[in-house]
Amino acid sequence: DSGVTQTPKHLITATGQRVTLRCSPRSGDLSVYWYQQSLDQGLQFLIQYYNGEERAKGNILERFSAQQFPDLHSELNLSSLELGDSALYFCASSVEGRGEAFFGQGTRLTVV
Amino acid sequence: GQQVMQIPQYQHVQEGEDFTTYCNSSTTLSNIQWYKQRPGGHPVFLIQLVKSGEVKKQKRLTFQFGEAKKNSSLHITATQTTDVGTYFCAGPIINDYKLSFGAGTTVTVRA
Repeated sequence: DSGVTQTPKHLITATGQRVTLRCSPRSGDLSVYWYQQSLDQGLQFLIQYYNGEERAKGNILERFSAQQFPDLHSELNLSSLELGDSALYFCASSVEGRGEAFFGQGTRLTVV
Repeated sequence: GQQVMQIPQYQHVQEGEDFTTYCNSSTTLSNIQWYKQRPGGHPVFLIQLVKSGEVKKQKRLTFQFGEAKKNSSLHITATQTTDVGTYFCAGPIINDYKLSFGAGTTVTVRA
């Protein structure tokens, strides 16, 4: 158990819909990362937050947004969903944002 | 932008043999991290290297960080079936926080 909690574990939704993925980092970790992993693909960096502020941004689509709340949990919002958005979405946390990252179990999103 | 490249993408190994996977960055990294993802699982941190030329060992795994801090390697000796999975390298570049991952090396083992 990494200490990072992601909910829900599985999500099935229709094209055009909007979903919210939630992540609770390990106790004491200030930094949260979001990654997308499509079938048999690598980990695509989406975005990173540190203590509530956006710190780094990857190739995140405009239809996607994220935020980190004062209690340090983070949410990833995906809107106007397309079939190609089907993937495993991982959240990871670390103490300060450059070191060891702890990954959650992931949320498997299926868009039908 | 920064890219972290890993080769090979796939590695099929006979049990007991050695193999090496390589990681190369287009820019200097502040550190290099290695992760392992078992089939159906999530990435799990293995190790972090920070210093130029650093070498670290974990049992049968040997990790190296290049002198220029742009490349790294993971060498596994006497491969076992428990080594099956995908090995990723990742690293933030100097003065940046984005933790970019390589595409990974997926290892299968023939018993």
